[in-house]
Amino acid sequence: GESVGLHLPTLSVQEGDNSIINCAYSNSASDYFIWYKQESGKGPQFIIDIRSNMDKRQGQRVTVLLNKTVKHLSLQIAATQPGDSAVYFCAENSGAAGNKLTFGGGTRVLVKP
Amino acid sequence: EAGVTQFPSHSVIEKGQTVTLRCDPISGHDNLYWYRRVMGKEIKFLLHFVKESKQDESGMPNNRFLAERTGGTYSTLKVQPAELEDSGVYFCASSDLSGAGDEQYFGPGTRLTVT
Repeated sequence: GESVGLHLPTLSVQEGDNSIINCAYSNSASDYFIWYKQESGKGPQFIIDIRSNMDKRQGQRVTVLLNKTVKHLSLQIAATQPGDSAVYFCAENSGAAGNKLTFGGGTRVLVKP
Repeated sequence: EAGVTQFPSHSVIEKGQTVTLRCDPISGHDNLYWYRRVMGKEIKFLLHFVKESKQDESGMPNNRFLAERTGGTYSTLKVQPAELEDSGVYFCASSDLSGAGDEQYFGPGTRLTVT
């Protein structure tokens, strides 16, 4: 598949358990963060976002936490399902003109039935 | 509503040849972005069009890469001549607006293999 040759960190999780995916960023000027999910053969799909003036945001079964002090972002998936198996990327946007995204390296999540 | 489409889905070419990738953004989206993921690396920004104008091309690796968006609709990314290190997946994304927080919608990508 598309990830051949990439050595992604992998998180194996039992179906029904909660998943936590972590991401560190380096640009203290970043003011907007996004989590993307990429399934095999597809492009990145938006999951949830958070602005730098927040430290937590919740969606449907997902929660993003932002710790600006240590430049850390995490994605929590509640009650992980087989359909959650994918590669997850964090991305940041400094807010400069152009809306350029800077992506992290990605984490592969494998859900075991 | 149709999403972002890319063509071809996969291209295999020899070193030194030319390849042209095409992206059709979501209808009405003025902003179009190209990104790529080369082997073992993270997804990286290449450039950003606003309509037919290049807003930011700071990520273009070298002058072997030429992106165009004539008429402000679809875009092409030409690699000439292709080198082995150009192998990877090329993603296109589009957005309605271009501020931080304006969601970019990604296409499925074109996998380029240079042999």
